[in-house]
Amino acid sequence: EDQVTQSPEALRLQEGESSSLNCSYTVSGLRGLFWYRQDPGKGPEFLFTLYSAGEEKEKERLKATLTKKESFLHITAPKPEDSATYLCAVQAPGGGNKLTFGTGTQLKVEL
Amino acid sequence: DTGVSQDPRHKITKRGQNVTFRCDPISEHNRLYWYRQTLGQGPEFLTYFQNEAQLEKSRLLSDRFSAERPKGSFSTLEIQRTEQGDSAMYLCASSPSVSLGNTIYFGEGSWLTVV
Repeated sequence: EDQVTQSPEALRLQEGESSSLNCSYTVSGLRGLFWYRQDPGKGPEFLFTLYSAGEEKEKERLKATLTKKESFLHITAPKPEDSATYLCAVQAPGGGNKLTFGTGTQLKVEL
Repeated sequence: DTGVSQDPRHKITKRGQNVTFRCDPISEHNRLYWYRQTLGQGPEFLTYFQNEAQLEKSRLLSDRFSAERPKGSFSTLEIQRTEQGDSAMYLCASSPSVSLGNTIYFGEGSWLTVV
């Protein structure tokens, strides 16, 4: 069974204080690893897809990396508007490309 | 707005009543998914459609739940004889094709509270 574990559960940063979120996964044949951002009361917003170990993608202050066992979401010089829950999900062969999610990291960036 | 649209956004119902949620996917997306999310948890897969065919259902989807996607366009998720444990956010998502690793886009969700 596919499993995704995210850490830490919650993270509080000062504005400008860079950090990383971790996503460890177990899957039989990774098709893709996805990162989403979710604001309170809203649906997940797509950020990145990573397909193979060594791949990196960037968007503004966010950078996602992938190894064979885990992915990191690096946040550089965060701002209060980066506060949200960040969800990691894996996509495995079969099952219509469905995603298996972790429980998320709740990020709070303070002034 | 060309994103995934869900209706209603919020629903409060009494235990035992039936509720129905509607999802309009992104135009021309042939895959449509339903997920359920409770507080502090990630979304959990319920079912998916390719065009009008329902191809997989999770064990989470009890007999009280039924989903349809007539004509391969919008979809409905009906919950019969609601229970308090059904309280959650129901998320609809769509993706553009069957090819490997296609991005799945989510709607804003439909919140269900069973009292």
